[in-house]
This record gives sequence, C-alpha cells and structure tokens, in this order.
Amino acid sequence: GENVEQHPSTLSVQEGDSAVIKCTYSDSASNYFPWYKQELGKRPQLIIDIRSNVGEKKDQRIAVTLNKTAKHFSLHITETQPEDSAVYFCAASSNQAGTALIFGKGTTLSVSS
Amino acid sequence: NAGVTQTPKFRVLKTGQSMTLLCAQDMNHEYMYWYRQDPGMGLRLIHYSVGEGTTAKGEVPDGYNVSRLKKQNFLLGLESAAPSQTSVYFCASCRQALDEKLFFGSGTQLSVL
Repeated sequence: GENVEQHPSTLSVQEGDSAVIKCTYSDSASNYFPWYKQELGKRPQLIIDIRSNVGEKKDQRIAVTLNKTAKHFSLHITETQPEDSAVYFCAASSNQAGTALIFGKGTTLSVSS
Repeated sequence: NAGVTQTPKFRVLKTGQSMTLLCAQDMNHEYMYWYRQDPGMGLRLIHYSVGEGTTAKGEVPDGYNVSRLKKQNFLLGLESAAPSQTSVYFCASCRQALDEKLFFGSGTQLSVL
C-alpha cells in the first residue's frame, strides 16, 4: 500500500521568511496530493491540493509542486506570518490501492515575529 | 448545516471496557473515514467506508470494528479497550470521489487507563 514520508518534522522560521515542507510517496499509481493544516486543538483543514496531471499550483502565499518521476511533492509558504504556525500534513491517494488518503506524520511550523 | 459531528468529545475508559464512537454527517457524503492521531505519528487510517453497508480496513485496524448501516452514520467500536488505544480519533467524510476535500469532525479525545 501507499507510504508517505514527510520532512522536516519541525520547522522554525522568522516572520516574512519562506517555509518548505517536502513529502515522498511510494505508490506510483497515486494521483491526488492534498495538504492539510491543523491549528492547535482544531481539526485538520484542506489548504491546497494538486492532481497528477499538474506540476504546480498556487493560491496566494502557498504553492505546491509535484514531481511524479521522483515521487515527491512539496508545500511552499512565502512571506510567512504568525498565523501560519500550525501542523501541516501531506497526503497521497491511489484509487488502485484503495479509496483512502494516507497521511504523512506532519510538520510543526513555528513562525516567530 | 452541522457538517461532521462526533460524539462523545471526551471519554475515559478502563482497560477491557468497550465503547462506540459515533460519527454523523449531514452532507450526503458517500465516503467516510476513521483516523487516529498520536504525537509524532500523524493521522493513521483505521477503517473506512465507500458507501452504506460497506467497510474496509485501513493502516491500523486491529482492535477496532466499524459499521455503516446508514449512509449518514459511521460507528467505530472498541470491544476491549487497551492503553495503546489512547488517542485522538477523527472522523472524516467526502462527497464521492477520493480526490475531493475531506471534511473532518472535531475529534474525540479517548484515554484508556
């Protein structure tokens, strides 16, 4: 089945800096790659996703890139703000492996002002 | 429109006791999932359902059972609770295809003593 590795586990940046979180997946049939943000004590919420027929997607200060050949995808946050502090999870899905998302272990992002 | 509702929000069990966690969604979603979240382990898939009357095992199904007798409800059962099942449990649902946004419940904090 699918296995998703996420790095780093913790990331500390200064306000205004950029942050990059990287994930790799094992199932070459995976075709959907979302990112979820979980603030302390809250439920995870989708912030951006990308499908296998697209190499990059942007939404204001966040972007996701996908390299299907290397089986990795990344989340980029520019001009970080204190409210970006949260745990970020990547995930991958494959209809071939089963109709469910498999998540990485998460990255705790801390943005200091 | 409540979205995804989980009950109870908190529960303390003694080893060997049983309990059922209820997940209810009012969005007419086909797919429903149970995840557990432990520090440093991310969100791990326990069981899932792709429609009324269907269930399937996820990454960590041992010690849990599920039922989806009605489309809007997905029940997670622990027959004989163990301390290793101390965790935060999240239910999630999505409309139809897997490559769609997951809607999460607010979570159930379960402690097994």
